[in-house]
Amino acid sequence: EAQVTQNPRYLITVTGKKLTVTCSQNMNHEYMSWYRQDPGLGLRQIYYSMNVEVTDKGDVPEGYKVSRKEKRNFPLILESPSPNQTSLYFCASSFSQGGSYEQYFGPGTRLTVT
Amino acid sequence: GENVEQHPSTLSVQEGDSAVIKCTYSDSASNYFPWYKQELGKRPQLIIDIRSNVGEKKDQRIAVTLNKTAKHFSLHITETQPEDSAVYFCAASYGGSQGNLIFGKGTKLSVKP
Repeated sequence: EAQVTQNPRYLITVTGKKLTVTCSQNMNHEYMSWYRQDPGLGLRQIYYSMNVEVTDKGDVPEGYKVSRKEKRNFPLILESPSPNQTSLYFCASSFSQGGSYEQYFGPGTRLTVT
Repeated sequence: GENVEQHPSTLSVQEGDSAVIKCTYSDSASNYFPWYKQELGKRPQLIIDIRSNVGEKKDQRIAVTLNKTAKHFSLHITETQPEDSAVYFCAASYGGSQGNLIFGKGTKLSVKP
């Protein structure tokens, strides 16, 4: 089954404790992105990757890191989480088919930083 | 930076009525405009998209129109049903890459039976 998976789905942590949210897709997509969703602010892009070893900042990259060492994986790293990073996080992947770049979203990771 | 404005933020209609959501974008290089539907507690899912060389696209009860000159595009839902109730997001490609999207802030649509 074609899908994007994220782990963990829920995470409660404390300020300053490094964490990683994993994202994996089995569709051989070139593009992968991370978004955060906050009430009233919609989906804001954190980082994106156009292919292996190619990553770039989105709208809200501060406090986050990513890596793309393999095509299927795109982990999101919070080196020193802070309460303002409490949010719902979505990973997404996409590729071009017939002029459409449909983004396939993962199930989301709800992160709480206390 | 580039942005996408979406209006209204909330919309309430009676079942069977039409609903229209409007978006404007700022990047002249944007050439791909998808719409996503997000039901409560679920992930966003693509419902329709349009490319810049097309002015209108229709899929059953939903349609999207694009005015490149004015830099705005709209989602039209006809004969609304209670299951259309959700948050809808418009998006536009930016930075010359169709795989890179900037999203509007969303419209919460409520369809009353």
